[in-house]
Amino acid sequence: GAGVSQSPSNKVTEKGKDVELRCDPISGHTALYWYRQSLGQGLEFLIYFQGNSAPDKSGLPSDRFSAERTGGSVSTLTIQRTQQEDSAVYLCASSPGTGDDGYTFGSGTRLTVV
Amino acid sequence: QKEVEQNSGPLSVPEGAIASLNCTYSDRGSQSFFWYRQYSGKSPELIMSIYSNGDKEDGRFTAQLNKASQYVSLLIRDSQPSDSATYLCAVNPSYGKLTFGQGTILTVHP
Repeated sequence: GAGVSQSPSNKVTEKGKDVELRCDPISGHTALYWYRQSLGQGLEFLIYFQGNSAPDKSGLPSDRFSAERTGGSVSTLTIQRTQQEDSAVYLCASSPGTGDDGYTFGSGTRLTVV
Repeated sequence: QKEVEQNSGPLSVPEGAIASLNCTYSDRGSQSFFWYRQYSGKSPELIMSIYSNGDKEDGRFTAQLNKASQYVSLLIRDSQPSDSATYLCAVNPSYGKLTFGQGTILTVHP
């Protein structure tokens, strides 16, 4: 597609429920990244996929967080047993290669855990 | 020490002035550097990239890089109210994963 597409744009969930966030990167981009941004904070790295390589999961805050990327394209970030501190904007980005050209971000998913 | 640090804001400048945004980084092996602009409630947008020491100009924006001092800056000339946003410095310290600073909020007042 023309840009990075994320869905849903907003998600309100009850504490303890599981949520899935979706990212569709720019066509042909081999690298895909997930970050989250809490209110008034900077971007916190979560996970990075590059082609068929094993993902870099070093930023995932707990084992409640997981992500997969199917067919080298669409990615899903799953948060199990959501907690109020998970409330944030979850941003997906993609890049053509190693990130040396910078990233293109999607519009984000605003997650609110009540 | 944070990997990427930006000058504390918020920064307020009058319309038409030069806004100067600064960033330092800790990893000497970093090779690529970026400035993103983020309007309130929106996602970050890439506005400048720089890879070599010196200045890079694009319209009203100039990025400056000094690898010896581990310093990156962004100058915005003839600042406009539409430039009011949070500016994020990002550094690629290792293969493919950008590290972002906390951002500097810029306000340009008429």
